[in-house]
Amino acid sequence: GAVVSQHPSRVICKSGTSVKIECRSLDFQATTMFWYRQFPKKSLMLMATSNEGSKATYEQGVEKDKFLINHASLTLSTLTVTSAHPEDSSFYICSARAPGVYPSYEQYFGPGTRLTVT
Amino acid sequence: AQSVTQPDIHITVSEGASLELRCNYSYGATPYLFWYVQSPGQGLQLLLKYFSGDTLVQGIKGFEAEFKRSQSSFNLRKPSVHWSDAAEYFCAVVAFRTGSARQLTFGSGTQLTVLP
Repeated sequence: GAVVSQHPSRVICKSGTSVKIECRSLDFQATTMFWYRQFPKKSLMLMATSNEGSKATYEQGVEKDKFLINHASLTLSTLTVTSAHPEDSSFYICSARAPGVYPSYEQYFGPGTRLTVT
Repeated sequence: AQSVTQPDIHITVSEGASLELRCNYSYGATPYLFWYVQSPGQGLQLLLKYFSGDTLVQGIKGFEAEFKRSQSSFNLRKPSVHWSDAAEYFCAVVAFRTGSARQLTFGSGTQLTVLP
């Protein structure tokens, strides 16, 4: 149980276009999801916290107009990279807070999406 | 603020040898600690976690970790490493920030190479 999927796994887009990444909790409801960015050989950097039915909370330094997050349902959060540029190329990982037993601080991670902007 | 330090950027061990990956945390109260593993191009998989109770925690794939409050450490161990254990390992602690969700703060990671 507690599986998180991401789609697509890889995407290549041209500079100036937008790309949407989906994060789904497959067998549980996730009121809170998280979006991370990971540079090569680096740790995970939290970009934003996504709460179902409300606006996402962005970390300091993350452009909310560039990285649009929508948590439309209890099983789906999307990250849209708008007007992508080569410097947005990265590995994006989502996670969902584990359901059930309190305290549910554990997160389940998706497999990641490799974004390349040409 | 909570923080996590993984002092070893890269560790190389021979297959069958024992392994210990170090993790030190900074937090005033009892922390909630995790170890995750990441294979190349993949997401993170939870190996084990510590919330309270027994300070020696057993995880998946034969891994264990010991919480030592006096040393502010949560080191990951495995008695006999397999080639498939080669991956990046992340230690993480729950960050309690006022007005925010309970986020994970990750260490910088330790890359494990296993020699045949």
